[in-house]
Amino acid sequence: RKEVEQDPGPFNVPEGATVAFNCTYSNSASQSFFWYRQDCRKEPKLLMSVYSSGNEDGRFTAQLNRASQYISLLIRDSKLSDSATYLCVVMKTGANNLFFGTGTRLTVIP
Amino acid sequence: EADIYQTPRYLVIGTGKKITLECSQTMGHDKMYWYQQDPGMELHLIHYSYGVNSTEKGDLSSESTVSRIRTEHFPLTLESARPSHTSQYLCASSGHRAPNTEAFFGQGTRLTVV
Repeated sequence: RKEVEQDPGPFNVPEGATVAFNCTYSNSASQSFFWYRQDCRKEPKLLMSVYSSGNEDGRFTAQLNRASQYISLLIRDSKLSDSATYLCVVMKTGANNLFFGTGTRLTVIP
Repeated sequence: EADIYQTPRYLVIGTGKKITLECSQTMGHDKMYWYQQDPGMELHLIHYSYGVNSTEKGDLSSESTVSRIRTEHFPLTLESARPSHTSQYLCASSGHRAPNTEAFFGQGTRLTVV
């Protein structure tokens, strides 16, 4: 079983829509959680860290559910510029590497 | 902007050549990583390092080797390039202590072996 499982997508949504991505992780010792964004043929960039209490950054909201071992990303009022691949990332306690999901491709349509 | 740099950005090279992909970071990060990614596909970890003189192989088997003689430098070497090595190679680094454990990526090296 993969360390991190992510919605495969692709998600094609109209401008202004709300879209949610989910991601599950297999190791309960996982400590740090992140969402990254990767544009076509570019490197991944940190979108936001995910905290236990949940956190919001403008139109983006991240949630963590440790009991069910999943994290989510909600994007409200989608913009064309939100089109990208969104990667779920988990770091295990005591480990020295990060585990990436396969990514979910989002296309926002005019 | 993250202070992690990869050179070259693009490389086209003939089969059998030895190549070294450079990666340097100025953030003082202990952990560094090399990922391989084909277009539209997921990232695969091929090497990582906890610090100076430590290197480990990742999940994806790779014929490449790495070294970590200095904290800021983590080069990747292919002794004899083959067309199957054609891919994008992404270097990343991360801090040791929360909350600064997120990874920062270089812009990548797009390698084509002909």
